[in-house]
Amino acid sequence: GENVEQHPSTLSVQEGDSAVIKCTYSDSASNYFPWYKQELGKRPQLIIDIRSNVGEKKDQRIAVTLNKTAKHFSLHITETQPEDSAVYFCAASFTSGSRLTFGEGTQLTVNP
Amino acid sequence: DTAVSQTPKYLVTQMGNDKSIKCEQNLGHDTMYWYKQDSKKFLKIMFSYNNKELIINETVPNRFSPKSPDKAHLNLHINSLELGDSAVYFCASSQELTPDYGYTFGSGTRLTVV
Repeated sequence: GENVEQHPSTLSVQEGDSAVIKCTYSDSASNYFPWYKQELGKRPQLIIDIRSNVGEKKDQRIAVTLNKTAKHFSLHITETQPEDSAVYFCAASFTSGSRLTFGEGTQLTVNP
Repeated sequence: DTAVSQTPKYLVTQMGNDKSIKCEQNLGHDTMYWYKQDSKKFLKIMFSYNNKELIINETVPNRFSPKSPDKAHLNLHINSLELGDSAVYFCASSQELTPDYGYTFGSGTRLTVV
């Protein structure tokens, strides 16, 4: 079955620095890769996603890159702000699959 | 309007009791899910339904029984609650069986078994 590994499990940065979270997936048929942000006590919310026919996607301060050959994808947050502090989850879905498989999450802390 | 709503938000109960969590979505999505999030934040799928049909039934104790009366509702009933059932339970929905547009999550139900 599909397996998604996420690193690091915790990440602490200074305000204004960049943060990078990396995920690898096991099923080469995976074709959809969303990222979710979960603030303390809240629900996970979709912040950006990428499909297998695209190598990079950007939305203001966040970007996601995908390397299909290496089967890994990354979330990049630039100019981090304290409100970026949250748990971030990567996920993958493979063609004709019936679920998202989530990574184990990264606790990002942005220190003012 | 809340897209995916769960009730109750908090549930504190004693071991051995039976409880239910309800979920409703008004997005017109075909597929609904139950996920369990433990203290380490890991999101583990439990069940999914597509148009009232059970699609995914992961290795979950049979004390957990989902029920989908229609495609807009997916409820979770838990019998004989145990301490290890304490977690946050999230309902989610997706447009189609293959979640190519991601999930919309409900706000979660924090279950505490004492």
